[in-house]
Amino acid sequence: EVQLVESGGGLVQPGGSLRLSCAASGFTFNSGWIHWVRQAPGKGPVSVSRINSDGTSTSYADSVKGRFTISRDNAKNTLYLQMNSLRADDTAVYYCLKYTSGWTWGQGTLVTVSS
Amino acid sequence: DIQMTQSPSSLSASVGDRVTITCRASQDISNSLAWFQQKPGKAPKSLIYAASSLQSGVPSKFSGSGSGTDFTLTISSLQPEDFATYYCQQYNSYPLTFGQGTRLEIK
Repeated sequence: EVQLVESGGGLVQPGGSLRLSCAASGFTFNSGWIHWVRQAPGKGPVSVSRINSDGTSTSYADSVKGRFTISRDNAKNTLYLQMNSLRADDTAVYYCLKYTSGWTWGQGTLVTVSS
Repeated sequence: DIQMTQSPSSLSASVGDRVTITCRASQDISNSLAWFQQKPGKAPKSLIYAASSLQSGVPSKFSGSGSGTDFTLTISSLQPEDFATYYCQQYNSYPLTFGQGTRLEIK
């Protein structure tokens, strides 16, 4: 069974940093793209970033470009999202997503940016 | 970015009803369309991928159709557990984009 488990969320002050992790199991992790998506309270999901199978290609939403960095450790079957210079509008539940004969979502991790 | 427009934004229905939700893409996305269900405070649950393929473990009361720019999700014989918010998602090109959601409520 394909499974994604996010961790690392929490409360952080504006301007602070957090690193999210997504532990994967049940599929060949080092194949294909894997994504971060976020969902602000009461809103629909929005793409944040993606990374290819070997980490050599990445994409970012304009709203996070230059502040967030996606990476992966294929030996640990883990995806990361380093988030710096956090702002109030980064407050959201962050999900990792993977397509393997359909989409699998993790359970999400809540990031709250507030003073 | 590809814009996804869902309709209706909300829908009231009764247990046992059959409902249809539509999703329109701003450009041709072939069959790269997924549907998912979300309940309050929970992670999204995937229902359909490739426009009409049922995700493993999802009951056959859910069905999807369409290609190109116009897609539908049909839910037959509504049960209390089906009342939730439904989203479409295109994955033909990055960024992934999502419809604004359809809130399905009990009449």
